[in-house]
Amino acid sequence: GENVEQHPSTLSVQEGDSAVIKCTYSDSASNYFPWYKQELGKRPQLIIDIRSNVGEKKDQRIAVTLNKTAKHFSLHITETQPEDSAVYFCASPGNAGNMLTFGGGTRLMVKP
Amino acid sequence: NAGVMQNPRHLVRRRGQEARLRCSPMKGHSHVYWYRQLPEEGLKFMVYLQKENIIDESGMPKERFSAEFPKEGPSILRIQQVVRGDSAAYFCASSTGQGAGTEAFFGQGTRLTVV
Repeated sequence: GENVEQHPSTLSVQEGDSAVIKCTYSDSASNYFPWYKQELGKRPQLIIDIRSNVGEKKDQRIAVTLNKTAKHFSLHITETQPEDSAVYFCASPGNAGNMLTFGGGTRLMVKP
Repeated sequence: NAGVMQNPRHLVRRRGQEARLRCSPMKGHSHVYWYRQLPEEGLKFMVYLQKENIIDESGMPKERFSAEFPKEGPSILRIQQVVRGDSAAYFCASSTGQGAGTEAFFGQGTRLTVV
């Protein structure tokens, strides 16, 4: 099955700085890469996703890049704000099609 | 669209009792996924179901755990003879399942506490 590794496990940045979270996946057949944000005690919420036919996607302060050759994808958050503090999860379906395998999560702390 | 609905939000069971967790997918979604999240940990896949079918249960413990998604009604995750180690948040997600790689949306989760 698919194996997803996520780094770093914790990340602390100053408000206004950028944050980058990286994930690698194992199944070259995977073609969909979502990112979820989970605030304390709440559900994971989809914040951005990318499909394998593009290399980058941007939505305001967040962007995701994909390198299919190297089998890794990254989440970039610019101009971080305290409300960005949460746990972020990457995921990949592998060749399972719809069933997502999640990375271990990154706890992002944005210091005001 | 009410989103993915899970109930109960919180469930307390004594060791040895049964726990039943319910998930109603978003309108138009026929694929349901159950995940378990231990405190301070990630989301571990348990089971993937379509209406009346189990597609993948590779993440389900072999004993005491079962899941169903009947033709009518919500998906049910059932844990028999609960033990303290079953205490976790159980999240359900749903998708349309149309084509590989479709957006999955999560419910609010059920927080199971075994005392």
